[in-house]
Amino acid sequence: DGGITQSPKYLFRKEGQNVTLSCEQNLNHDAMYWYRQDPGQGLRLIYYSQIVNDFQKGDIAEGYSVSREKKESFPLTVTSAQKNPTAFYLCASSPKGTGGFGELFFGEGSRLTVL
Amino acid sequence: AQSVTQLGSHVSVSEGALVLLRCNYSSSVPPYLFWYVQYPNQGLQLLLKYTTGATLVKGINGFEAEFKKSETSFHLTKPSAHMSDAAEYFCAVSGSGANSKLTFGKGITLSVRP
Repeated sequence: DGGITQSPKYLFRKEGQNVTLSCEQNLNHDAMYWYRQDPGQGLRLIYYSQIVNDFQKGDIAEGYSVSREKKESFPLTVTSAQKNPTAFYLCASSPKGTGGFGELFFGEGSRLTVL
Repeated sequence: AQSVTQLGSHVSVSEGALVLLRCNYSSSVPPYLFWYVQYPNQGLQLLLKYTTGATLVKGINGFEAEFKKSETSFHLTKPSAHMSDAAEYFCAVSGSGANSKLTFGKGITLSVRP
């Protein structure tokens, strides 16, 4: 089945460590996104990419980094510079030409806890 | 600039009762409007969307929403709640431009009482 796969589903990290969250899609979508979800705050955009080898900062990019070397993959690295990294991270994708971000297809998320 | 307001954080209804989840938006351009649903520890799933045309849109699981430009609203309704409707619901807005971002509301949790 086509979809978006995020891994790991749960991740624990010590303070000061970088961690990379994986996001793979087989929907042949051009655009991919990373959102952070905190209770009562909705979803906030971290980074997005509308084409391979190109990406843009979202609203809360500080302390995060991404790459888009393949159409199918958009990994997110949470660096030690992110002051409050404990959160639920959601990856999404959308077809090209949907008008703005349009309809997004989401993965099941990765829950990061900093110990 | 655009924003979404979902008043309240929690709504509780009895099984079989009407579900009404409110969403008001602000947008400087004609909006595209969306409702997404999230079940615990899962990603979001699109319920329905309005882009252009008919202002009453029907979605999955018996939900519908009406775009009211004069009220800048896009409220979500379902005539009869089911236990399986218990989830978190997010309203979102974007413009039609290729670089227009999707802005989410804070979400509202729906509980369904037996």
